[in-house]
Amino acid sequence: GENVEQHPSTLSVQEGDSAVIKCTYSDSASNYFPWYKQELGKGPQLIIDIRSNVGEKKDQRIAVTLNKTAKHFSLHITETQPEDSAVYFCAASGPLSGNTPLVFGKGTRLSVIA
Amino acid sequence: DTGVSQDPRHKITKRGQNVTFRCDPISEHNRLYWYRQTLGQGPEFLTYFQNEAQLEKSRLLSDRFSAERPKGSFSTLEIQRTEQGDSAMYLCASSLGGNRMNTEAFFGQGTRLTVV
Repeated sequence: GENVEQHPSTLSVQEGDSAVIKCTYSDSASNYFPWYKQELGKGPQLIIDIRSNVGEKKDQRIAVTLNKTAKHFSLHITETQPEDSAVYFCAASGPLSGNTPLVFGKGTRLSVIA
Repeated sequence: DTGVSQDPRHKITKRGQNVTFRCDPISEHNRLYWYRQTLGQGPEFLTYFQNEAQLEKSRLLSDRFSAERPKGSFSTLEIQRTEQGDSAMYLCASSLGGNRMNTEAFFGQGTRLTVV
């Protein structure tokens, strides 16, 4: 089955700097890669996703890149703000027809220091 | 609020008791997922439904765990004879079921279970 590795486990950046979180996946059939932000005591919130037919997607200060050949994808947050502090999870899944729900990484705790 | 709703938000129970959690998905979503999350870990998939059909249940942690979605709307997750190791956050998510492409899954706020 799918295995998702996520690095780093913790990340501290100064406010205004960029943050990058990287994930690798094992199943070449995976074709959907969302990123979730989880604040303390809350459920994960979808912030951006990418499908295997594109290499990059951007939404304001966040962007995700995908390298299918290398089987890795990354989250980039620019101009970080204190409210970006949270735990971020990457995930991967294959086609719905294959009954493959999301497999998550272990998370990255991002701290943005004001 | 039209998001995924979970009830209760917190549950404290004594070891050996049975507990049941409820999830109400986003109304037009036909797929519903249950995940478990322990401290410092990512969500771990347990089971999921398309409408009322349970399509995958081999990941349920033991035969003490069961889930239902009788009318294809809300779902319940039951844990029988709870153990201290069952203490975790139980998350529900829902999505539209597409033919070949995954669609976005939205999570509820979770039910935090503490077994004492």
